[in-house]
Amino acid sequence: EAQVTQNPRYLITVTGKKLTVTCSQNMNHEYMSWYRQDPGLGLRQIYYSMNVEVTDKGDVPEGYKVSRKEKRNFPLILESPSPNQTSLYFCASSLSGDGGGNQPQHFGDGTRLSIL
Amino acid sequence: RKEVEQDPGPFNVPEGATVAFNCTYSNSASQSFFWYRQDCRKEPKLLMSVYSSGNEDGRFTAQLNRASQYISLLIRDSKLSDSATYLCVVNGRDDMRFGAGTRLTVKP
Repeated sequence: EAQVTQNPRYLITVTGKKLTVTCSQNMNHEYMSWYRQDPGLGLRQIYYSMNVEVTDKGDVPEGYKVSRKEKRNFPLILESPSPNQTSLYFCASSLSGDGGGNQPQHFGDGTRLSIL
Repeated sequence: RKEVEQDPGPFNVPEGATVAFNCTYSNSASQSFFWYRQDCRKEPKLLMSVYSSGNEDGRFTAQLNRASQYISLLIRDSKLSDSATYLCVVNGRDDMRFGAGTRLTVKP
């Protein structure tokens, strides 16, 4: 089954404790992206990657890191989480690597992070 | 001004009603357009792409007006199962811009 898989689905942790949210897709997609969703603000892009070893900042990259060492994986790293990073996070992927702009994205189930 | 703007709603309509959502975007160079549906606490799912000539998928019709920079979604004969938040999505070359969503509740 074609899918985007995120882990964990839920996490409650404390300020400053490094965490990683994994994202994996099995569709051989070139474009991958991370979003956070907050009430009233909609989905905001954190980072995106057009292909292996190519990553770029989205609209709200502060406090986050990503890597793209393999095509299928795109982990989101919070080196020192803070309460304002409490949010619902989605990973997404799409086929196109030439900008992803003309392809719809497929989303993972989401990760709900609470930073205390 | 937000890059993609939607009326947040909520829209509360009876079953069988026709309802329309609009979405405006600010970047005239935007390349492609989509409507997504998101159920509460779930991931967004592609509902339909929006083509320049307009397109229909069953009870759903999408329109694009590039001159006025807006897209629309029309839902005919609303079902209870149509209750969800509808996200307008506008793509540039390298990014995807989401509207904040319009919430629809269809009531018996």
